[in-house]
Amino acid sequence: EDQVTQSPEALRLQEGESSSLNCSYTVSGLRGLFWYRQDPGKGPEFLFTLYSAGEEKEKERLKATLTKKESFLHITAPKPEDSATYLCAVQAGTNAGKSTFGDGTTLTVKP
Amino acid sequence: NAGVTQTPKFQVLKTGQSMTLQCAQDMNHEYMSWYRQDPGMGLRLIHYSVGAGITDQGEVPNGYNVSRSTTEDFPLRLLSAAPSQTSVYFCASSPRDRVYEQYFGPGTRLTVT
Repeated sequence: EDQVTQSPEALRLQEGESSSLNCSYTVSGLRGLFWYRQDPGKGPEFLFTLYSAGEEKEKERLKATLTKKESFLHITAPKPEDSATYLCAVQAGTNAGKSTFGDGTTLTVKP
Repeated sequence: NAGVTQTPKFQVLKTGQSMTLQCAQDMNHEYMSWYRQDPGMGLRLIHYSVGAGITDQGEVPNGYNVSRSTTEDFPLRLLSAAPSQTSVYFCASSPRDRVYEQYFGPGTRLTVT
């Protein structure tokens, strides 16, 4: 059974204080790992897909990296508008379209 | 494009009642999925579809039915509502060539009393 574990559950940062969120996974035959952002009361919004170990993707202050066992979402010099819950998910095996999500990390950035 | 739309936004049911949550997308996406999200938790896959006429079970399918007669619509039916089905339900769609890039609807908040 595919498993995705995110840590920490919650992270509070001061504006400008860089940090990282972790997503560790146990799957058989990774097809892709993806990150989403979710604001309160809204549906998740797609950020990145990573396909293989060593791959990196960047978007504004966010950078996602992937190893064979985990992914990191690095947040550089965060701003209050980066406050949200960040969800990690995987698809594995032969079932394209079947995603397994972690429980998320809730990030709060204080001005 | 409206993207992914879901109706209703809020619903209160009594135990034993049935209802259908509606989901529609206008992006001609082949893949569609239903998730539920409980407080402080991530999304759990209920059912998904890789195209019209094709559906499959996710992690938590019990108590729910789906059908996919058209590319655009993917309704989720609760057969006999139970308090354990109180949750926020999200529908998502993605294109076949970028299956991981899911577009989510705004969600339906369901309470079963």
